[in-house]
Amino acid sequence: GAGVSQTPSNKVTEKGKYVELRCDPISGHTALYWYRQSLGQGPEFLIYFQGTGAADDSGLPNDRFFAVRPEGSVSTLKIQRTERGDSAVYLCASSLQGATYNEQFFGPGTRLTVL
Amino acid sequence: SQQGEEDPQALSIQEGENATMNCSYKTSINNLQWYRQNSGRGLVHLILIRSNEREKHSGRLRVTLDTSKKSSSLLITASRAADTASYFCAAYGNNRLAFGKGNQVVVIP
Repeated sequence: GAGVSQTPSNKVTEKGKYVELRCDPISGHTALYWYRQSLGQGPEFLIYFQGTGAADDSGLPNDRFFAVRPEGSVSTLKIQRTERGDSAVYLCASSLQGATYNEQFFGPGTRLTVL
Repeated sequence: SQQGEEDPQALSIQEGENATMNCSYKTSINNLQWYRQNSGRGLVHLILIRSNEREKHSGRLRVTLDTSKKSSSLLITASRAADTASYFCAAYGNNRLAFGKGNQVVVIP
């Protein structure tokens, strides 16, 4: 499996619940990104990791959103007290060193539905 | 916030025809990337053009970049039914890709 993988592919939850979304990047890719895509829109940036550290989290909409990448590989996006407006497809991407001259490769996404 | 803006938003063409999409962006960039998306899920990377490049080719794809006008175009030649998808431009700068709303392209067999 050479591509970016994300689990689960679909997640349905109730308003107020906590969810975790997982991303497994391409092996050897040090840069990892999370994006969120609402229906009919392009993806919007959430957070960027270089190695283990969040190099730029300015896209996170509020403090209910948090992401970690403790070992510099797998990342988890965590959403507390989910709201209906959080419903979207959450996309993860990785690139070799950060996308200055490298492509970002995207996973299939996790479709989150908050009822 | 969305930075790229594609034009036109929806395009319907006959198989074999060429499809052209335009994109504009607002800030300085390191590179600009085009992606294809089917059924609202995973994005497939098509081509990357650096800020110091003006034109790039990959198979049936041709991308141009005009940094003075902050615009890019994607040309798909000899379109096929399998090219039916949404196409997004994404400007890379400031640690992120800034995507437009996308072009829905339908290729009629």
